Amino acid sequence: AQSVTQLDSQVPVFEEAPVELRCNYSSSVSVYLFWYVQYPNQGLQLLLKYLSGSTLVESINGFEAEFNKSQTSFHLRKPSVHISDTAEYFCAVRAQRDDKIIFGKGTRLHILP
Amino acid sequence: EAGVAQSPRYKIIEKRQSVAFWCNPISGHATLYWYQQILGQGPKLLIQFQNNGVVDDSQLPKDRFSAERLKGVDSTLKIQPAKLEDSAVYLCASSLRVVSNEQFFGPGTRLTVL
Repeated sequence: AQSVTQLDSQVPVFEEAPVELRCNYSSSVSVYLFWYVQYPNQGLQLLLKYLSGSTLVESINGFEAEFNKSQTSFHLRKPSVHISDTAEYFCAVRAQRDDKIIFGKGTRLHILP
Repeated sequence: EAGVAQSPRYKIIEKRQSVAFWCNPISGHATLYWYQQILGQGPKLLIQFQNNGVVDDSQLPKDRFSAERLKGVDSTLKIQPAKLEDSAVYLCASSLRVVSNEQFFGPGTRLTVL
C-alpha cells in the first residue's frame, strides 16, 4: 500500500518570497506522483505530475517539484509566491499498476502581504 | 469543455436524516469517483465506477452509504441515516479510462450534520 506524508499543515510566507511544501511518500512498488491545488470553495485541480523521465517537473504558474527516489520525496517549490497562490496543496501518490490515488492531508499556504 | 458538475453545493441536515448528492462527469469520461474530504484531511476514495459498474468500493461504509451510476453517466451518492461524523465535503471526479493519469474534480458538496 502507498502512503503520503505532508509534514506541514500550514505554511505562512511573505509575498514574493520563496516557498517549499514538503511531501514524502511510502510505497513498495513504482509510483506516479502528483500535486493538486484547492483554491477556496473550489474543487481540486492538478498542478503538476511526475510520471517518468526528468525528475524535475514544472507547472504553468511557476511551481516546480522534484522527484527524489532515494529520499522518497516530491517537494513543491516556487521561487516567488503571489497572493493568488493562497490555497491548500495536496500531494498524492498512485501505484503505476492501478488507478487509486492516495492523498496527503494537505498544506495550507498563507501568503502574507 | 464543461467540467464535473455537482449539486447541491451545500447541505445541512440533522443526524439520522437522509441525504443525496448528484454528480455529472465530463462528457465521455468512463470512470467516476466519489471522495470524502473531512476537514483537515485529504480526500479519501469512497467508490469508483467504470461506466455503470463498481471497480472499488472497499472504503464505502455500506451500512449507510450507497451509490449508483445506472446509465454510466450521472451518479448519485446517498447517506441513510447520516451521522455527525459524516460532516465533510463530498467530491466527485472523473477520468477518461481506468488507468488514467489525471482525475478532474468537481467543486464538491459540503455536508453539515447537526
